Amino acid sequence: GAVVSQHPSWVICKSGTSVKIECRSLDFQATTMFWYRQFPKQSLMLMATSNEGSKATYEQGVEKDKFLINHASLTLSTLTVTSAHPEDSSFYICSVGGGGNQPQHFGDGTRLSIL
Amino acid sequence: AQSVSQHNHHVILSEAASLELGCNYSYGGTVNLFWYVQYPGQHLQLLLKYFSGDPLVKGIKGFEAEFIKSKFSFNLRKPSVQWSDTAEYFCAVNGEGYQKVTFGIGTKLQVIP
Repeated sequence: GAVVSQHPSWVICKSGTSVKIECRSLDFQATTMFWYRQFPKQSLMLMATSNEGSKATYEQGVEKDKFLINHASLTLSTLTVTSAHPEDSSFYICSVGGGGNQPQHFGDGTRLSIL
Repeated sequence: AQSVSQHNHHVILSEAASLELGCNYSYGGTVNLFWYVQYPGQHLQLLLKYFSGDPLVKGIKGFEAEFIKSKFSFNLRKPSVQWSDTAEYFCAVNGEGYQKVTFGIGTKLQVIP
């Protein structure tokens, strides 16, 4: 299956800072990547679908100006949490693949802690 | 819309005990079903999947799941668990033709040696 690298794995920063998370597909050209968020004791919630060369598709309730997604190449998508606040603290996970008969493959996730 | 319900949020078993984790989904059409596992400190990994054909699906590490269409269920089973099966297990569904996957809330399995 696809190998997905996510960086950084853990970020701690002050309130008001913008944080960028990278998701790389190492052996698979991904026209689509997915960004999920997981709160403690809750399931993964899809935030947005990142589309190479075009705008991301956001799920209902996700602020597109808060969570900026850029998918500039077939192997890299970035999620930027702008002006992060403590309520943005969460575990963010990206995935690659899926659709048809293919499962998604996940990155290791990024734990974001906003002080 | 599609949704997934996992009934057991936290399961504690002794080694060699049998395991069954419940998963029910809601979707009006044909579905693809998955079980993912997340071991402590690791990323999500695919355990097994069902797309079509034999409703009894065998996955890695001795796990299997049975798709029962009439019950909208896809329960995960293992005859004899090991300590190394301690992990969190997520059931997931996506409607055929869609890439969007919906996950259940997850079940934490703790196996006691």
